[in-house]
Amino acid sequence: DAGVIQSPRHEVTEMGQEVTLRCKPISGHNSLFWYRQTMMRGLELLIYFNNNVPIDDSGMPEDRFSAKMPNASFSTLKIQPSEPRDSAVYFCASSSGTSGYTFGSGTRLTVV
Amino acid sequence: DQQVKQNSPSLSVQEGRISILNCDYTNSMFDYFLWYKKYPAEGPTFLISISSIKDKNEDGRFTVFLNKSAKHLSLHIVPSQPGDSAVYFCAASDTPLVFGKGTRLSVIA
Repeated sequence: DAGVIQSPRHEVTEMGQEVTLRCKPISGHNSLFWYRQTMMRGLELLIYFNNNVPIDDSGMPEDRFSAKMPNASFSTLKIQPSEPRDSAVYFCASSSGTSGYTFGSGTRLTVV
Repeated sequence: DQQVKQNSPSLSVQEGRISILNCDYTNSMFDYFLWYKKYPAEGPTFLISISSIKDKNEDGRFTVFLNKSAKHLSLHIVPSQPGDSAVYFCAASDTPLVFGKGTRLSVIA
């Protein structure tokens, strides 16, 4: 098993541009989580899905952020338009009902 | 308002000594707690957990203690090794997991 796969590993973009982060969860895991890590707030949950359905998106900072999970093997987190304060490391994690969370290696986003 | 708090952003310990990382929580309904370890450029990985029906769980050099009345848990690493240098996150088992801000542990050789 290759684990949770995130792409890209690093993204540098200009303010105002659209950014799309991608995640492939572990096969068989029915829950998927998007977290953001910053120095100020640590690991904060943005949104999570259960069986491809968004369950709680209260952590999404504002309407510029959106997430989709069109099928069990793929999810995207989109920021449009991006702002410098969005710079952070974004993690995707997946789990099944009986397992803990497995995190991907993260995407380091820098908005200049 | 943070439900899981790690009040020490960083900790430095000499190799061979004990490292103690602390975590406080506010929600008495939490019944399962976890510690995750994170190296640079990697995602957090599960380290050790404890159920609220226990007050101690041990796995090799790692022991987690839970004090429910104080809503406090701690992770002890004995003896500390340079490879233990990482960021440690405390988490409470809600759905989804609620994480603290993390504590950066540096083990000095």
